[in-house]
Amino acid sequence: DSGVTQTPKHLITATGQRVTLRCSPRSGDLSVYWYQQSLDQGLQFLIQYYNGEERAKGNILERFSAQQFPDLHSELNLSSLELGDSALYFCASRERENKDTQYFGPGTRLTVL
Amino acid sequence: DQQVKQNSPSLSVQEGRISILNCDYTNSMFDYFLWYKKYPAEGPTFLISISSIKDKNEDGRFTVFLNKSAKHLSLHIVPSQPGDSAVYFCAASARFGGGSNYKLTFGKGTLLTVNP
Repeated sequence: DSGVTQTPKHLITATGQRVTLRCSPRSGDLSVYWYQQSLDQGLQFLIQYYNGEERAKGNILERFSAQQFPDLHSELNLSSLELGDSALYFCASRERENKDTQYFGPGTRLTVL
Repeated sequence: DQQVKQNSPSLSVQEGRISILNCDYTNSMFDYFLWYKKYPAEGPTFLISISSIKDKNEDGRFTVFLNKSAKHLSLHIVPSQPGDSAVYFCAASARFGGGSNYKLTFGKGTLLTVNP
């Protein structure tokens, strides 16, 4: 158990819909990272938050957005969903002492029908 | 442009033998490298890491070697066990934004199968 929690574990929805994925980082970690893993793809970095502020953007679509709340949990919002958005979405939090190591949650499997 | 490459999608070894997983990178700004293991339906689990100032780091059965001049790293698992069967991701870290921000870039992973 990494200490990072994600809900829901599975999500099935239709094209055009909007969903929200939730992540709670490990206790004490201020940074949250979101990743997308599609079929046969590695982990694609989407976005990073640090203590409530956006710090970096990766390959994140304009239809996607995220935020980090004062209690440090984060939400990833996916809107106008398309079939190609079906993927595993992981959140990770960064270890304080060793700034490079990230610890991953169990992921949310999103299926868009 | 893939900055971190794992050219072998899969690897099969016998239990008790050595498993060697390879990873190449192109960005010379990477200064920290990590290996993650991933089982199906679970998130990636941190395994071992190495700083660019070192060429070897060992943790039990796992050893990571770094060859900076070749921009190559490898993960050795000795002896391999059936429970090691998983997808292994190589990741590289680089600082950005002039501050204390670090971003990981992942390879596509190698599926290791250890046969009993």
